[in-house]
This record gives sequence, C-alpha cells and structure tokens, in this order.
Amino acid sequence: GAVVSQHPSWVICKSGTSVKIECRSLDFQATTMFWYRQFPKQSLMLMATSNEGSKATYEQGVEKDKFLINHASLTLSTLTVTSAHPEDSSFYICSARDFRDREYSNQPQHFGDGTRLSIL
Amino acid sequence: AQKITQTQPGMFVQEKEAVTLDCTYDTSDPSYGLFWYKQPSSGEMIFLIYQGSYDQQNATEGRYSLNFQKARKSANLVISASQLGDSAMYFCAMREGLRAAGNKLTFGGGTRVLVKP
Repeated sequence: GAVVSQHPSWVICKSGTSVKIECRSLDFQATTMFWYRQFPKQSLMLMATSNEGSKATYEQGVEKDKFLINHASLTLSTLTVTSAHPEDSSFYICSARDFRDREYSNQPQHFGDGTRLSIL
Repeated sequence: AQKITQTQPGMFVQEKEAVTLDCTYDTSDPSYGLFWYKQPSSGEMIFLIYQGSYDQQNATEGRYSLNFQKARKSANLVISASQLGDSAMYFCAMREGLRAAGNKLTFGGGTRVLVKP
C-alpha cells in the first residue's frame, strides 16, 4: 500500500529555533500534500495544502511566514516552523494523495506517522 | 457551523460487542465523500472505510461497516466484535466535491473508544 514517511517522529528544541519536518511519499508520486496540526485531545486542523512546484495554500489564520512549506518534488514536502515558541508545540501530521487518483474520489489520503514537536 | 459533528467524545465498549460511532455532516455539495480514520495513541492515522455520496449501498470493510443515511446526513461507523486493539480515537472526515480540487478533508472532533476486556 501507499506509504508516507514523516521525519522526525519527535523533536525537542529551544525557543527561537527553526524546525524542519519532512513528508515523503515512498511508493507513489504526490502532486498534493497536506499539513495538519493536532493539539492534545483535539481533532486535526488543516494548516495548508502543499502543491508541487507552486506556492502552498494556507488556511485562514495560519501564518505563512511562520510555517514555511516547500514542495520541491513529487515525493517530498517540508514544513519549517520558523523561530518556534512554546505555543507552537503540537503534533504535526502530513498526508498525501497519489496523483493517479485524480479522477477518483474514493481513494483516501495517506498519512505520515506524525511529528511531536516540543518547544522549551 | 460545524461541517462534521461527532457527538460522542468518549465511549466504553465490552470486548466482542458491537459499537456505533455517530457522525453527522453538513454540506450543500451533492458530490462528497465520507471517511473514517482510526488514530491509536501512537498518533498515526489509519484509514478504515469510505462512503461516497452516490454510493447506493452502505460500505463495509471487514469488521467495519458504515450506516449511511443520506437524507439525515449521517454516516455512522459500526465496529462489530470489538477487540482490545480497537481502543483508539476515531475520526469522521468529509471531502466535498469529486475532483482533485475538492480533495481537502474536514475532520470531526473525534470519539475516543475504550474496549474493556
């Protein structure tokens, strides 16, 4: 089945540090990837839609300059949390859809295993 | 208004019994898809089952079945013969539109299920 690899699984760093999270589709190509944020005991909230070769589309209320997204290839999207602060601590999870699924709506998004980010 | 509503924040279920998780949705798009995902404590999202708005029959996948009532805009997940490994958060999600442009998923608040031995 389709596998999405997300790295790192967890990271602890000091306030003010920038943190990069990678999302890779291992056995399929993804023109579109999605980045979600999940606070403890809450649901997934879409942050942005990452489009290969173009700018990401951010959801309302998400700071573009804070959460930089790069989708440079069909198998890799990165999320960089710039100058992270304790309030950025959260679970970040990415998903991707196989570009071959374009015309079919019954195919699910394939999720990475998520990244737990803790900012001290 | 909430697009996806899961009214049960948490549920206990006895092992080997069936459990129904509620999900109601709100959309004016005639074309949409409904998904259920399981999220264990480790955090990964596991796809369980899908129901399309034009599907005539309720979806089934092993021990998972979907009670789709289109007129009521509900898509309840039924887990039969619960197992201890079913203890997790369960999320209902909706994708509006059928084409690639409508691929964004909106998630409900989730239901935490705890299976008792």
